[in-house]
Amino acid sequence: NAGVTQTPKFQVLKTGQSMTLQCAQDMNHNSMYWYRQDPGMGLRLIYYSASEGTTDKGEVPNGYNVSRLNKREFSLRLESAAPSQTSVYFCASSEASGRPSYEQYFGPGTRLTVT
Amino acid sequence: AQSVAQPEDQVNVAEGNPLTVKCTYSVSGNPYLFWYVQYPNRGLQFLLKYITGDNLVKGSYGFEAEFNKSQTSFHLKKPSALVSDSALYFCVPFYDSGYALNFGKGTSLLVTP
Repeated sequence: NAGVTQTPKFQVLKTGQSMTLQCAQDMNHNSMYWYRQDPGMGLRLIYYSASEGTTDKGEVPNGYNVSRLNKREFSLRLESAAPSQTSVYFCASSEASGRPSYEQYFGPGTRLTVT
Repeated sequence: AQSVAQPEDQVNVAEGNPLTVKCTYSVSGNPYLFWYVQYPNRGLQFLLKYITGDNLVKGSYGFEAEFNKSQTSFHLKKPSALVSDSALYFCVPFYDSGYALNFGKGTSLLVTP
């Protein structure tokens, strides 16, 4: 049982390049989330997927797109990377949508640098 | 809407001493309050939560927190700190929709030998 896995662990992009961050969970969770963590800003929600087939914007969605490929996988795409997107990205999942009593499980993170 | 405040950016404690990481909240309705911990260069881990019921909540690694409605607080405590407790701690309100908009900056705990 690997929990939440993220690939890649590290990535360096040039401004304007695109890439997709992958996330998968093997806990049969319904809800999945993407956060970014910046120094002094804490973790901010980018997008979330309450259940398979649905996605919604979080606090900072601009410059990102997401795909809930199936129940296990939730990817985050940067179409045209900008230096402001330099951050550590975390994927998380939780058991039930619309149920705030369920804790979230986090992946190890992807450290992205955009030059 | 729910929001929390962690008034201290950093807390320093000597090993073996009790530790407290403060969290106060402002809510409309019933709060769902969680504590998460982030060890260096790792993802966040769930520690404990308050949903309803007993105001004293016990969690992982010997941590506990008390939901105090009159003081609108949910402070994280541990009777005897370990050096390995050094980490970033987040107090997080969850909305009815089941997601947290913002984990905030957290409080950095440093336990010295």
